[in-house]
Amino acid sequence: EAGVAQSPRYKIIEKRQSVAFWCNPISGHATLYWYQQILGQGPKLLIQFQNNGVVDDSQLPKDRFSAERLKGVDSTLKIQPAKLEDSAVYLCASSSPARSTEAFFGQGTRLTVV
Amino acid sequence: GDSVTQMEGPVTLSEEAFLTINCTYTATGYPSLFWYVQYPGEGLQLLLKATKADDKGSNKGFEATYRKETTSFHLEKGSVQVSDSAVYFCALGFSGTALIFGKGTTLSVSS
Repeated sequence: EAGVAQSPRYKIIEKRQSVAFWCNPISGHATLYWYQQILGQGPKLLIQFQNNGVVDDSQLPKDRFSAERLKGVDSTLKIQPAKLEDSAVYLCASSSPARSTEAFFGQGTRLTVV
Repeated sequence: GDSVTQMEGPVTLSEEAFLTINCTYTATGYPSLFWYVQYPGEGLQLLLKATKADDKGSNKGFEATYRKETTSFHLEKGSVQVSDSAVYFCALGFSGTALIFGKGTTLSVSS
């Protein structure tokens, strides 16, 4: 089966600019996660979707970050305006209803804010 | 809140050496436990998992046993290879919720 697809792989932007990341989960996976992984740290959850509804966005900096999953499949994560401390790898993951504790990850998008 | 603590890295070993990476957790209830591996330039891949106390997860020569009494899930491998060089993450999860990860441990194996 195809894995979790993310794009772009790399992005460099200036602070105060905006950026968007795209994720296509594994077919049939109802749950989608966005994680932020800062260099030298473990992934930290930003937002969790169940189909097109938000389950947990308690750690999403809502003043600058937004995410949507309009049709319950693809998802977009946006940052506007970006700050230097947003430099990180943004990981998308998905899981199936049958194995809901096991997440499958995409390759991530490495964002550098300069 | 729930959390995972891993031993600090980097861990540097020679090929064929024995590997242990310590992982302990704090959780309300009984989570599933995981080890994920991240090779350079790649995303996280599930290495092994255990869903209840005393379960042993194993894959590619790696093993970890879910120890409820010590709240631990240490990763071991009897003989590491250069190709095992990567970052290893311990994680816990409950059904329907996101995984909580440790900070990761970098393993470097030299020939």
